[in-house]
Amino acid sequence: GDSVTQMEGPVTLSEEAFLTINCTYTATGYPSLFWYVQYPGEGLQLLLKATKADDKGSNKGFEATYRKETTSFHLEKGSVQVSDSAVYFCALANYGQNFVFGPGTRLSVLP
Amino acid sequence: KAGVTQTPRYLIKTRGQQVTLSCSPISGHRSVSWYQQTPGQGLQFLFEYFSETQRNKGNFPGRFSGRQFSNSRSEMNVSTLELGDSALYLCASSLEPTSSGNTIYFGEGSWLTVV
Repeated sequence: GDSVTQMEGPVTLSEEAFLTINCTYTATGYPSLFWYVQYPGEGLQLLLKATKADDKGSNKGFEATYRKETTSFHLEKGSVQVSDSAVYFCALANYGQNFVFGPGTRLSVLP
Repeated sequence: KAGVTQTPRYLIKTRGQQVTLSCSPISGHRSVSWYQQTPGQGLQFLFEYFSETQRNKGNFPGRFSGRQFSNSRSEMNVSTLELGDSALYLCASSLEPTSSGNTIYFGEGSWLTVV
C-alpha cells in the first residue's frame, strides 16, 4: 500500500536558520501531497499542498515541490522563527485510498 | 466559516467506562474521519463516515465505534476503556470522501485520559 517516510527528528535549529524536512513517498498513480503542522496542544493544520508533479505549495514562508521523479516532497523554509516550533507531518491522498501520514518531525527553534 | 469543532476538549475516565466524543464538521462537508494520536504510534486511522455510511475502518477492536448523523455531525464511542486508550482523538472533515484526494481539515482534538 501507499506509505510516507519522513525524518523523525527531533530537529533543533537556531532562529533564522534554514530548514529542510525530508519526505519521500511510495504510491501508485498520482497522489496529492500535503504538509500539516501541529502546534503544542492543538490539532493538525494544513500548511501547504500540491496536487500534481512539479507543483510548488507555499504558505507562511514554507515551500515544498512535488517531485515525481524522486517521489519526494521536502519541506523548506529560509529563516525559521521560534514560533515555527511544532510537529510537521507529511501526508498523501491517493484516489481510492485513505489519507496516509508520515510519523511526524518535531522541530524546535531556539532564540 | 467555522472550523471543525470537537467536544469535549479534555476528559478523564476510569478503566471499564465508556466515552462518547463529538465532532461537527465544517459547514457543507459531508465526510468525517477519526484518528487516534499517541506518542508511540503516531496518527492512526480509526474510521471514516460519508453521508451517514461508514466507508472505511482502521485496525482497531470493536470497542471503537462511530456514527454520522444526517447533518454530518459525527460521534465516536469507545466502550470498556483501557489504559492504552489514553490519546488525543482527532476528527477531520472534507467535502468529499478522503479517497477522492480532497484536503481534510482537522479539529483541535479531544484529549482522553483513562485512569
